[in-house]
Amino acid sequence: DSGVTQTPKHLITATGQRVTLRCSPRSGDLSVYWYQQSLDQGLQFLIQYYNGEERAKGNILERFSAQQFPDLHSELNLSSLELGDSALYFCASSVVASGRGEQYFGPGTRLTVT
Amino acid sequence: QQQVKQSPQSLIVQKGGISIINCAYENTAFDYFPWYQQFPGKGPALLIAIRPDVSEKKEGRFTISFNKSAKQFSLHIMDSQPGDSATYFCAGTGTASKLTFGTGTRLQVTL
Repeated sequence: DSGVTQTPKHLITATGQRVTLRCSPRSGDLSVYWYQQSLDQGLQFLIQYYNGEERAKGNILERFSAQQFPDLHSELNLSSLELGDSALYFCASSVVASGRGEQYFGPGTRLTVT
Repeated sequence: QQQVKQSPQSLIVQKGGISIINCAYENTAFDYFPWYQQFPGKGPALLIAIRPDVSEKKEGRFTISFNKSAKQFSLHIMDSQPGDSATYFCAGTGTASKLTFGTGTRLQVTL
């Protein structure tokens, strides 16, 4: 158990809908990272927040947004969903702001868009 | 310039054998190279990591070999065990903070 929690575990929704994925980092970790894992794209970095501020951005679509709240939990919002958004979404946390440290991954949320 | 190329895509090794996974990177700004291990239904977990100022790092049965001039690094798993069966990802990062992952290698260790 990494100490990172993600909810929900599974999510099934229809195209065009909007969903929110939630992540609680390990106690004491200030950085939260979001990743998308799919068969064709592999493990792709989406976005990082550090202590409430956006720190780094990766291949995140404009339909996707994220935020980190004062209690350090983070939410990833996915809107106007398409079939191709079906994937595993992982949240990871770390103590440091840079990527040069161990990132602790949560169990993931499996999103299925029908 | 952000790619990390990983090979092979899949690997079958007998118990007790050596598993070798190779990665090559393009971004010369990368200065931290971790390997992550992922079991089915789980998130990736850090296995071992190296910085380019050393050519080799060993932790138990796991060794990273690093060749800075060739921009290549590899993971060696000695005395491979069935419990090592998982997907392995190499990655690289630098000041940009984000991890760039390889495409993954599915390792199966047979009895």
